[in-house]
Amino acid sequence: NAGVTQTPKFQVLKTGQSMTLQCAQDMNHNSMYWYRQDPGMGLRLIYYSASEGTTDKGEVPNGYNVSRLNKREFSLRLESAAPSQTSVYFCASRVLAGMLEQYFGPGTRLTVT
Amino acid sequence: DQQVKQNSPSLSVQEGRISILNCDYTNSMFDYFLWYKKYPAEGPTFLISISSIKDKNEDGRFTVFLNKSAKHLSLHIVPSQPGDSAVYFCAAEGGGADGLTFGKGTHLIIQP
Repeated sequence: NAGVTQTPKFQVLKTGQSMTLQCAQDMNHNSMYWYRQDPGMGLRLIYYSASEGTTDKGEVPNGYNVSRLNKREFSLRLESAAPSQTSVYFCASRVLAGMLEQYFGPGTRLTVT
Repeated sequence: DQQVKQNSPSLSVQEGRISILNCDYTNSMFDYFLWYKKYPAEGPTFLISISSIKDKNEDGRFTVFLNKSAKHLSLHIVPSQPGDSAVYFCAAEGGGADGLTFGKGTHLIIQP
């Protein structure tokens, strides 16, 4: 039981390049989330998927798109990376939207030059 | 405007003593409050939570207190241990919105 896994762990992009961050969970959770954490800041919600087939914007969605591929997988795409998107990205999941505890992956550290 | 505030970026406590981490919030619609612990290069892990209808929740060495009228909560760790050294995030949820709203975190350092 791996919990929440994220790939890659590290990535360096040039401005304007695109990439997809992958997230998968094996806990049969319905809800999945993408957060970003900037230095000295708390985590901020980018997008979430309350259940398979639905996605919604969070606090900071600009510059990102998401896909809930199936119940297990939730990907985050940067179409044209900008230096302001340099951050650590965390994926999380929980049993149901409204249930308390979210389980987090180990994070992807992204640098955009 | 920050809805969840942790005004102490860091806190140093001697091993064996009590650690008290504070958190303030502005959104009265929050239903639940949670504390997460984070080690470097790892994701946050859930520690303890409290519903807005309660004023205290205890789990082993960890107790969370909620003062709803003051919009303030605190996490008490007794006794503090070296493994408690980490960044602690206060988070809140509610008002119909999905997802957690986090504070900036407090770096707790336990001194031997």
